[in-house]
Amino acid sequence: TQLLEQSPQFLSIQEGENLTVYCNSSSVFSSLQWYRQEPGEGPVLLVTVVTGGEVKKLKRLTFQFGDARKDSSLHITAAQPGDTGLYLCAGAGEYGNKLVFGAGTILRVKS
Amino acid sequence: SQTIHQWPATLVQPVGSPLSLECTVEGTSNPNLYWYRQAAGRGLQLLFYSVGIGQISSEVPQNLSASRPQDRQFILSSKKLLLSDSGFYLCAWGRGARAFIDTEAFFGQGTRLTVV
Repeated sequence: TQLLEQSPQFLSIQEGENLTVYCNSSSVFSSLQWYRQEPGEGPVLLVTVVTGGEVKKLKRLTFQFGDARKDSSLHITAAQPGDTGLYLCAGAGEYGNKLVFGAGTILRVKS
Repeated sequence: SQTIHQWPATLVQPVGSPLSLECTVEGTSNPNLYWYRQAAGRGLQLLFYSVGIGQISSEVPQNLSASRPQDRQFILSSKKLLLSDSGFYLCAWGRGARAFIDTEAFFGQGTRLTVV
């Protein structure tokens, strides 16, 4: 069974600070996706990384896929209150048609 | 465009009662369909997935079952609910054999189930 360990579980920071969320596994994934979820709603995709060593940037968010495709990180620069939410990493298995989720990181950005 | 509908949004059921949650997808054909359960503020646990009509894979032993009577319909059921079945249930669909490499998981709005 493929497992994803996500850390930290909870993060409370001041507006303007930087933060990094980590997602680690002993398994290799075909892809690694990051989702953001608001309370009472379904998760919404932020990014998909497929290639080992890949780095993707979305405005203030930087996503990295480990060289061995076993781990990933999400870095947010100059966090804003609007970044508050639950961030989830999810790995796709060998055939890419099943997603395993990490436990999630609850981020709270205070103004 | 594709849409996914999941209902009801909230449900309060007594222990021992049956359960039926329905999920339908519009605007696509032969989707992969998924049921996830989420504890408050935590990650999603995959319960069932289906790659076609009548094809159901169960990920964890539990008190629940799933069925796919039509291509774009996915149903989560229980004959007798337990307190531990409480949670936030999410239906999702993915496109194609490489669903989560080439595209993403599209989620419904979820059902908040409370077993009392």
